[in-house]
Amino acid sequence: DIQLTQSPSTLSASVGDRVTITCRASQSVSSWLAWYQQKPGTAPKLLIYKASNLQSGVPSRFSGSGSGTEFTLTISSLQPDDFATYYCQQYSSYSSRTFGQGTKVEIK
Amino acid sequence: EMQLVESGGDLVQPGRSLRLSCTASGFKFGDYAMSWVRQAPGKGLEWVGFIKSKPYGGTTEYAASVKGRFTISRDDSRSIAYLQMNSLKAEDTAVYYCSRDIIEAKATSMVYRYYYYMDVWGNGTTVTVSS
Repeated sequence: DIQLTQSPSTLSASVGDRVTITCRASQSVSSWLAWYQQKPGTAPKLLIYKASNLQSGVPSRFSGSGSGTEFTLTISSLQPDDFATYYCQQYSSYSSRTFGQGTKVEIK
Repeated sequence: EMQLVESGGDLVQPGRSLRLSCTASGFKFGDYAMSWVRQAPGKGLEWVGFIKSKPYGGTTEYAASVKGRFTISRDDSRSIAYLQMNSLKAEDTAVYYCSRDIIEAKATSMVYRYYYYMDVWGNGTTVTVSS
């Protein structure tokens, strides 16, 4: 199975900060990578698909980039609603999809 | 409004079985593949498996951790996806989410390859496996 490693595991930031989360794959997933946001007690929400495509309704302060084995999720100006846990997920192989371990974005 | 509602979660003893349901509304259920994802208490997300839509064969794929014990099925006439869980273990304790899959196709050589990501999620149902 393809392993995904996110860094950092926890990130402390302030409102207005630019935040970057990295996701590294154990082998190439081309651009078949999605990013999800999850708040405590709620379901994950799709933010980005195919590495850099913004899901409809998601604020433009979220962006994704990368291909192959290295990807980033960037929040250009952190808002109070953005404090959550973020997961990357590869879908290069539909029979074996995997998630990263998550990155918790906390208030500094 | 597109919606997925899971049900059937319960407290069950190890070795027993349980069936979860995922009822869809607001979209044409039969046109979409459906996935199940779980999250153990305090842990990350784990993809469990999915079922393709019938136009794409209606076949299933599973994570290694549940293969041979879990079965996904669908009833397109009722817009419901099911997760049948047998021989349950303590490590199956989790919140179980169903999600809708979006398919992307890419032409390679003589064939198309298909890629699925999850766009709409239900709120989850809790399964606890304990004696």
